[in-house]
Amino acid sequence: AQSVTQLDSQVPVFEEAPVELRCNYSSSVSVYLFWYVQYPNQGLQLLLKYLSGSTLVESINGFEAEFNKSQTSFHLRKPSVHISDTAEYFCAVSDLGNTPLVFGKGTRLSVIA
Amino acid sequence: GAVVSQHPSWVICKSGTSVKIECRSLDFQATTMFWYRQFPKQSLMLMATSNEGSKATYEQGVEKDKFLINHASLTLSTLTVTSAHPEDSSFYICSAPTRGNTGELFFGEGSRLTVL
Repeated sequence: AQSVTQLDSQVPVFEEAPVELRCNYSSSVSVYLFWYVQYPNQGLQLLLKYLSGSTLVESINGFEAEFNKSQTSFHLRKPSVHISDTAEYFCAVSDLGNTPLVFGKGTRLSVIA
Repeated sequence: GAVVSQHPSWVICKSGTSVKIECRSLDFQATTMFWYRQFPKQSLMLMATSNEGSKATYEQGVEKDKFLINHASLTLSTLTVTSAHPEDSSFYICSAPTRGNTGELFFGEGSRLTVL
């Protein structure tokens, strides 16, 4: 079975500063990895995903994540955050689509003006 | 735009009543949908897998008689919380798999249930 660990439950950061949200996973098989973002009282929206190929994946709004197989990590980074990035971020893992997504506990990113 | 739609977004009910939440896939067919439950400031917990034309598959610890799931068509799954109690208050989110069988999901907007 897969599991996901997001070590930081809350990350406050000043506007325009860089941020990294950590995600580690555990799995005995190959995986697909996802980051979802959730704004208050809304469902989840896909931010980016790793399926295969380049280990560095990017989103359209400046986030990126790097798949590191040896460290079983998929940390999310952004070089300069905006107020609008304030949200809950969930890392999720799938065993190549064979079972439903397993989510981490989430990290609340709070961007401070 | 949204590809999975949930209704209602908010619902308040009295203890002992039943509440139905609808989840629709828009412009695509979903033979499988997943229902998640999210407590405040916590992650999503998979409740059940809804299968079109057959019984839902419930996760361990989820009462199937309490949370009735019906997937009567390829675009609609419903979750009915029967005889709701305050401890059932939560944010319920449905989702449907995208094409490609990668595990990626489209999520509905979520439904916040408050039981008084």
